[in-house]
Amino acid sequence: AQSVTQPDIHITVSEGASLELRCNYSYGATPYLFWYVQSPGQGLQLLLKYFSGDTLVQGIKGFEAEFKRSQSSFNLRKPSVHWSDAAEYFCAVGPQAAGNKLTFGGGTRVLVKP
Amino acid sequence: NAGVTQTPKFRILKIGQSMTLQCTQDMNHNYMYWYRQDPGMGLKLIYYSVGAGITDKGEVPNGYNVSRSTTEDFPLRLELAAPSQTSVYFCASSYSPIGTVGNTIYFGEGSWLTVV
Repeated sequence: AQSVTQPDIHITVSEGASLELRCNYSYGATPYLFWYVQSPGQGLQLLLKYFSGDTLVQGIKGFEAEFKRSQSSFNLRKPSVHWSDAAEYFCAVGPQAAGNKLTFGGGTRVLVKP
Repeated sequence: NAGVTQTPKFRILKIGQSMTLQCTQDMNHNYMYWYRQDPGMGLKLIYYSVGAGITDKGEVPNGYNVSRSTTEDFPLRLELAAPSQTSVYFCASSYSPIGTVGNTIYFGEGSWLTVV
């Protein structure tokens, strides 16, 4: 069965500092990987996704993620955090074939200190 | 640009009451989904639909029903509300199945439901 683990429930970071959110997955085949962000009271917005090719993926809002097959990881990074990045971040894995099951991690809540 | 619209945004229900969460999308998407989000648990799929007239169960369908009479609408019904159904509900849609290259899933803003 597929699963996604986000080991950090909360992360506090100072504005301007770098941010890295961890995501580990378990999947029986080559996965389709996503990062979503949920701002308070809002729905989920897609930050980036990885299907194949270059393992370093650029997304919106200055975020990037790196797929490491050997570590079953898809960590999200941002070099310099802004106060508006305070939100909850979800990693998700889906099939690389037509399917309808997207498995989400438990989320990481990011707090930004001034 | 409406995208995926859910109503209501907030609702308090008493145990045993019933209600319908409405979801509509204006992107002509074939695929629609209902998820629930519990604290620290991520999102879990309740039901999904691959087109008008076709629905199927997800991971956690018990206590819910859906219908898909049109491409645009995918309502979620709770027949006998229970405290375990207190959650945040998200409707989503996509043009193609999840695993399709280039496909993007669009989410609504969520419906906060409390059962007391």
